[in-house]
Amino acid sequence: LAKTTQPISMDSYEGQEVNITCSHNNIATNDYITWYQQFPSQGPRFIIQGYKTKVTNEVASLFIPADRKSSTLSLPRVSLSDTAVYYCLVGEGAGNNRKLIWGLGTSLAVNP
Amino acid sequence: NAGVMQNPRHLVRRRGQEARLRCSPMKGHSHVYWYRQLPEEGLKFMVYLQKENIIDESGMPKERFSAEFPKEGPSILRIQQVVRGDSAAYFCASSPETAIYGYTFGSGTRLTVV
Repeated sequence: LAKTTQPISMDSYEGQEVNITCSHNNIATNDYITWYQQFPSQGPRFIIQGYKTKVTNEVASLFIPADRKSSTLSLPRVSLSDTAVYYCLVGEGAGNNRKLIWGLGTSLAVNP
Repeated sequence: NAGVMQNPRHLVRRRGQEARLRCSPMKGHSHVYWYRQLPEEGLKFMVYLQKENIIDESGMPKERFSAEFPKEGPSILRIQQVVRGDSAAYFCASSPETAIYGYTFGSGTRLTVV
């Protein structure tokens, strides 16, 4: 199972674009990259998942370079409510999400 | 259209007592997963269940912990003879048969053993 490395914390201001980069040097061919968001005292919430290149939804974008050894979660124009912990997970296929290894995530603080 | 419902939200037990944590999956979801999050640690997978079947319990401690998902009613995570080290947040997640878009998590049960 691929291990991920991401910054422990980040600071930002309202209205800025925030990019959180995750390293996963030993990602396997079958592995997908998944990001979750967790607010205090709540369960994680699925944000986005991708395999290669770029994925975009109504919440965020996920950029994955050709070698797939890293990925970047991009949050456009953050607001105070985006203050949360963001987890990058790498694991085999979409159907085996339970095998994903959860690290400590990146604690994002959005300031006014 | 309720999401994953967990109860109780907070549970306090004395050492040696039993803890029962309940999880009702999201409507239309037939797969349930239990995770544990210790303070200052990431989530750790415990068990994966479908109705009346345990599919994968590779993350469950060998003793004192059990889980079920009966034909009727919520999934139950049961911890017998709790110890202080069991204090943690326990999250339940559910998914439809094909979890293409990740899991839907509940708000968790915070177990405190005193």
